[in-house]
Formats: sequence, structure tokens, C-alpha cells
Amino acid sequence: ETGVTQTPRHLVMGMTNKKSLKCEQHLGHNAMYWYKQSAKKPLELMFVYNFKEQTENNSVPSRFSPECPNSSHLFLHLHTLQPEDSALYLCASSQESGNTDTQYFGPGTRLTVL
Amino acid sequence: AQSVTQLGSHVSVSEGALVLLRCNYSSSVPPYLFWYVQYPNQGLQLLLKYTSAATLVKGINGFEAEFKKSETSFHLTKPSAHMSDAAEYFCAVRDQGGKLIFGQGTELSVKP
Repeated sequence: ETGVTQTPRHLVMGMTNKKSLKCEQHLGHNAMYWYKQSAKKPLELMFVYNFKEQTENNSVPSRFSPECPNSSHLFLHLHTLQPEDSALYLCASSQESGNTDTQYFGPGTRLTVL
Repeated sequence: AQSVTQLGSHVSVSEGALVLLRCNYSSSVPPYLFWYVQYPNQGLQLLLKYTSAATLVKGINGFEAEFKKSETSFHLTKPSAHMSDAAEYFCAVRDQGGKLIFGQGTELSVKP
């Protein structure tokens, strides 16, 4: 595997379910990101991890819980979601969370909340 | 605070025609600017980036963008559109904290 991978690619869940999204980067990077992409809206940054430490939480509801066990893996734990949380969730990584570092994106997880 | 505005949520061109996707930015500091492309059912892929070196930046797939400070613009162009260029294109500026601020995206359609 190369680049940034995300699993699952598609997820349908009820509002009472608990599920997790997984992201893995094979680029040797130290920073990882979660973004939410909703229809007709700009990409929204959710969380940033730099060297496994969370450095940004962009006022995300607590029903989204990130976890970064090491620099290569990032999870997004989901519980009691709302239908408006349906979106494409994108993971990205970069060398560090600095100004000129390019962010490399995974293919995303298409989440539907019923 | 930094922001990005992409003019036109949808652009349609004929195959072989010039592609011009517009992006204007607002930044209180010298900006770092990016263009990303998103093909259907895929993540974002970097096309090119401006980091205060040459004002004309060449990217992948024949795209280029010119940084114009006086116009606060970073428009994306390609001389001749190909069917495979149909995708959504995002302009982004990096803020002082290192976050990427994205525009709303422009969907490019290419007609045969």
C-alpha cells in the first residue's frame, strides 16, 4: 500500500450505532488530519495531530472522538451521530503541520447516517 | 484571517478549449496557496502550490497558476482541456497556524 488509505470506503449507520473510521499513511509523515466534506460546503478541518499529539480541535461535537496511537494511524470514533453528519470524511497527512508542507489525502469514507 | 473565494461553482468547456478556474484569496501575511483536484469517489490530489518563489507555478497534468499579488488572485489555467480533466477543483490558502482554508470548489465539465 502506498500513500494514505482509509477504511471503510462506505459506511451506513443508525443514530444509535458506534463505528470507527480508520486512516493509515505510508509516507513517513508526522502530522495527520481529519476533514469533513459536505455537499455544497467547503472542506471543514476537524482535527489535527502532530507527532501523535492533538493540536487542533475545530469545535467538533463530542460524538466524534479521534484517536492517534502512532504517527501512521488515525481513527475517528463515531457514536450517536445525527443525519446531518452524513458526509465524506477525508484523512490527510503531511510531514509536519507547518506552512509549506503539502497535505496528502486519502480517498475518504462516505458516511450515511440514517 | 485568511479566506478563499472561488468564482463559479460550475464551469463547462469544450474539449481542446482553454480552462480557467478563478480563485481570489484574502490574507494578512504572504500567502501559501494550493490547488487540489478531486476526481469522483476519490480524495484530493495536489495539482500545484505557490510558496513565494516563482509567481507562475506549473503543476501536474498541464495545469499552471499565476500568483498576482495586486489582484489577490491565483487562477488555475490549462491551454487545452481533456475529457479526463472533468473533476472538482479546490483552491486553498494556508493560514498562520498551518491550517488549510479551502474554497467551495469548482466543478469542471468537459464536453466532447
